Formats: sequence, C-alpha cells, structure tokens
Amino acid sequence: EVQLVESGGGLVQPGRSLRLSCAASGFTFADYGMHWVRQTPGKGLEWVSGISWKSGNIVYADSVKGRFTISRDNAKNSLYLQMNSLKAEDTAFYYCAKGDYYDIIRSAFDIWGQGTMVTVSS
Amino acid sequence: DIVMTQTPLSLSVTPGQPASISCKSSQSLLHSNGKSYLYWYLQKPGQPPQLLIYEVSNRFSGVPDRFSGSGSGTDFTLKISRVEAEDVGVYYCMQSIQLPRTFGQGTKVEIK
Repeated sequence: EVQLVESGGGLVQPGRSLRLSCAASGFTFADYGMHWVRQTPGKGLEWVSGISWKSGNIVYADSVKGRFTISRDNAKNSLYLQMNSLKAEDTAFYYCAKGDYYDIIRSAFDIWGQGTMVTVSS
Repeated sequence: DIVMTQTPLSLSVTPGQPASISCKSSQSLLHSNGKSYLYWYLQKPGQPPQLLIYEVSNRFSGVPDRFSGSGSGTDFTLKISRVEAEDVGVYYCMQSIQLPRTFGQGTKVEIK
C-alpha cells in the first residue's frame, strides 16, 4: 500500500524553527518528485514547495521562499521541510504529497499523507 | 499565478441525482504537448484530498465511473452522474501547467 506519513508538527513561537518529515512506503520513492502542500481554513489549499527525484529541481512558493527548505533522502525514503523564521500566517495543516512524475514542472499530486498541524503562536 | 475559480461554492444534492461543478482558469491549461493540466480532488471530512481526475478527463485508479471530467482551455467541469452519500466533501480543481500550483476555492457538496 502506498503511504505517506508526516511528523514533526506542533506549537512553535513566532520566529522559531520546526522541521517536518514525511516517511514514504509502498512505492519507489526515488523515482518521483515530491511536494509539500498546506491548508488553512481561511486560505484553502496552498502549494508550498516541490523537489524533483534527484533534488536537481527545487521550487518554493513566494510566501515561504528564503525561510523554508525542502530536502529528501532517497536512501531513507524520506522528505523533509525545514521551516525557519516562522510566522503566524504559516499556521496550517501541512501535507506531504507524491508527484505523479519524476520532475515537478508539471507533475500533480496523486497520493497525499494524512498531514501534520503546525501552529505558530506566542 | 494562475487563478482558479470554482462555481458553485456549495451544492446540496439529492442521492441519485446528478451534480456539476465548474472550474475556470485565468490562463489556458493547454500545453504545447497537447495535454491540459487540470486536476480534480475530493477532500472527504477529516481526510486529506484524494485525486479523482487527472488531465481533465482521466479517472484515477479506483475512482467510480459516475465521476467524469470535461473541458478545454480555461473552462472545465466535473460531473457526478448519480450522487451517493459517500461523495460528500469539498471538491477542488487544481492546475499543474505551471508553478506555483494553484487550487480553486473548493465546492462543498452535501446530501439533502
């Protein structure tokens, strides 16, 4: 069974950091691009970042550029999101999503994890 | 960024009746390779989004054939031929022709 399991969410103060992880199983992780997508009640679904199969192509949403870093470890079947300088508006449910192609340029998301909640508040 | 606009934002449907959701994009989703990069997702209560339709009209694995997608260019439609109780949730369209990926606001479908 194809599965993505996120972890690392929680309550964090503004300006602090948090690292999300996503453990993949049931498919050849190294063959696919991967993404992070977040969801807030007010703003709906927002794509955050994507990384191609060998990490050669990495793209961020303008809202997180310079603060978030996406990475992957194909040997560990894992995806990561390092979030620095967190703001209240980063509060959201964060989903790890599998791309349907090795690159991220036009890939969509065919499998989503259950998500992890990040709350940025003092 | 490409703006995706869905209508209606909510829909109340009698079981067994059809339902239709429209999605319009601010730019054409037709690529020079002939593919149109429009996707439909359903987010059931308490669950992550799940892929229903890819590239306008292709049902993802396991999706019932009562779901169908159509359209071209900037105008797209998701149709449910006969709504069932398990179809409740929020439906989103999404474009993947360019980054950043953008989603519609969502259409909440409930059963009468």
